[in-house]
Amino acid sequence: DVQLAESGGGLVQPGGSLRLSCAASGFSFSSYAMSWVRQAPGKGLEWVSAMSGSGGIIYYADSVKGRFTISRDNSKNTLFLQMNSLRVEDTAIYYCAKGGSGSTGTKVGFDCWGQGTLVTISS
Amino acid sequence: DVVMTQSPLSLPVTLGQPASISCRSSQSLVYSDGNTYLNWFQQRPGQSPRRLIYKVSNRDSGVPDRFSGSGSGTDFTLKISRVEAEDVAVYYCMQGSHWPRTFGQGTKLEIK
Repeated sequence: DVQLAESGGGLVQPGGSLRLSCAASGFSFSSYAMSWVRQAPGKGLEWVSAMSGSGGIIYYADSVKGRFTISRDNSKNTLFLQMNSLRVEDTAIYYCAKGGSGSTGTKVGFDCWGQGTLVTISS
Repeated sequence: DVVMTQSPLSLPVTLGQPASISCRSSQSLVYSDGNTYLNWFQQRPGQSPRRLIYKVSNRDSGVPDRFSGSGSGTDFTLKISRVEAEDVAVYYCMQGSHWPRTFGQGTKLEIK
């Protein structure tokens, strides 16, 4: 069974930092692009960042560029999101999501999502 | 950025009746490889999103055949042939042909 499990969310003050993790199992992790997608309370889905299976190709949404860093450890089947200079508007559930393999990447969206981890930015 | 516009945003439907959701993109979603990367997701209350359809019309494994996707270029539709109670959810379209990836605002389907 393909599974994704996020962790690392919590309450942080504006300007603070947080590191999210996503443990993957049930598939050949290094072969698949991965993404982070967030959902503010009561709002829609917002794509945040994506990384290719090898880690060589990375994209960010403009809203997080320069503040967030996506990374992965293929030896540990884990995806990360380092979030710095956090803002109130970053408050959301952050989902880890599995894309496609090879050149397909995230073009076909995400066929598996984790349960999400809640990040709250508040003073 | 490619703007994805869904309509309606709220969709009350009687059980057993059909439902249709429109998704329009601000740019063509035809990619250089000839494919059109328009995907549909379902998010039931309190759950994570789930992909229903990828590349316009390809249903994911386990998705009932009452769900179908169609369209081309900039104009796409998700149809449910006969709505069931378990279809109560918010439905999102998402384009994968351009960076950044973008989602529609979501369409909330409820039972009338």
